[in-house]
Amino acid sequence: DAMVIQNPRYQVTQFGKPVTLSCSQTLNHNVMYWYQQKSSQAPKLLFHYYDKDFNNEADTPDNFQSRRPNTSFCFLDIRSPGLGDAAMYLCATRTGTGANQPQHFGDGTRLSIL
Amino acid sequence: DQQVKQNSPSLSVQEGRISILNCDYTNSMFDYFLWYKKYPAEGPTFLISISSIKDKNEDGRFTVFLNKSAKHLSLHIVPSQPGDSAVYFCAAFYSGYSTLTFGKGTMLLVSP
Repeated sequence: DAMVIQNPRYQVTQFGKPVTLSCSQTLNHNVMYWYQQKSSQAPKLLFHYYDKDFNNEADTPDNFQSRRPNTSFCFLDIRSPGLGDAAMYLCATRTGTGANQPQHFGDGTRLSIL
Repeated sequence: DQQVKQNSPSLSVQEGRISILNCDYTNSMFDYFLWYKKYPAEGPTFLISISSIKDKNEDGRFTVFLNKSAKHLSLHIVPSQPGDSAVYFCAAFYSGYSTLTFGKGTMLLVSP
């Protein structure tokens, strides 16, 4: 039973052409995260929502935006993708801020830039 | 500056033997540590965790050890099975901030 669903699994876009990645969850978790992971690197947090409160990491490029229209859905918008944005993008959810609640990940969207 | 380090990119172990994956951290404010397992083409899945008030947590074949003075933790898998072959990520958390800091991962290969 998929609980965090990312669509599409693979996305190809052209250099500079806006792209949107989506994430939905059936867990009713109030925290949602977006990570970028490049090959052999640690997942890098881009931003997260605690309910509707948006938290941007200091080093997340302005090119990356996010929307969370409701509890279940969260979107990652890349306004003008560059070649360096090719990566795996992971969505995760968690309930509350308690440390003992692990994050649940989707299977990711692999983004390629032509 | 990497706050969570997994210095071994890969580890090969024979089936039935012990696998030991290591993780070091630099931020003394971290008070909770997690291990995630990731198969190719899938997202990371939570495996086991440990609070900084403990030095050991065990769940079946998986045991995590924490040495706070050394800022070091390790994951032991006994006995290792071929299905354990995956990338293992160490992650750390500190209370009051709801995000994880991940290491780069260690790829474990368990051969029959």
